[in-house]
Amino acid sequence: TQLLEQSPQFLSIQEGENLTVYCNSSSVFSSLQWYRQEPGEGPVLLVTVVTGGEVKKLKRLTFQFGDARKDSSLHITAAQPGDTGLYLCAASSRLTFGEGTQLTVNP
Amino acid sequence: EAQVTQNPRYLITVTGKKLTVTCSQNMNHEYMSWYRQDPGLGLRQIYYSMNVEVTDKGDVPEGYKVSRKEKRNFPLILESPSPNQTSLYFCASSLAGVLGYTFGSGTRLTVV
Repeated sequence: TQLLEQSPQFLSIQEGENLTVYCNSSSVFSSLQWYRQEPGEGPVLLVTVVTGGEVKKLKRLTFQFGDARKDSSLHITAAQPGDTGLYLCAASSRLTFGEGTQLTVNP
Repeated sequence: EAQVTQNPRYLITVTGKKLTVTCSQNMNHEYMSWYRQDPGLGLRQIYYSMNVEVTDKGDVPEGYKVSRKEKRNFPLILESPSPNQTSLYFCASSLAGVLGYTFGSGTRLTVV
């Protein structure tokens, strides 16, 4: 099993702040995906990154895949309460998940 | 609407009583997978299927069975449920794994 480590595990910030979540591994991945999950619901795909060094933007969210394809980051600019949720990275076609980062954005 | 449908959404059962959680997708996806989610342990893969009649164990397959007789359905079978299988279960499907998965809404199972 490919091990994915996410950090931080918990993050509580004020509305308007910026934040970065990290997803790291010692393995090389063909692709890496980011999901967001609300309590009691299934994860929802945000983005897939495939190419080393790739950067993708989704409104205020910026995703980056490391040059060596072993790590990824998610940066949120000017966080809003609606961004609150569990952010999960997942790797490979078999979809192995990291433990997630629980983000709380306080008004 | 493209979706993954799990049933039931909630289930309370007793130890040892066989049960099946159904999963169906209407997107003609090749890949399907089952996960359980427990506090502090994250999402752990139970079983995985790359196509009809092709299944493989995930990280926590003990106590579970699956079948993939047709592309759209991927039921999860608990032959003799035990309290340690109390969990939130998710089914997911993908056209090609690297493109991302669509998840069902989950089944909250309680075994007493």
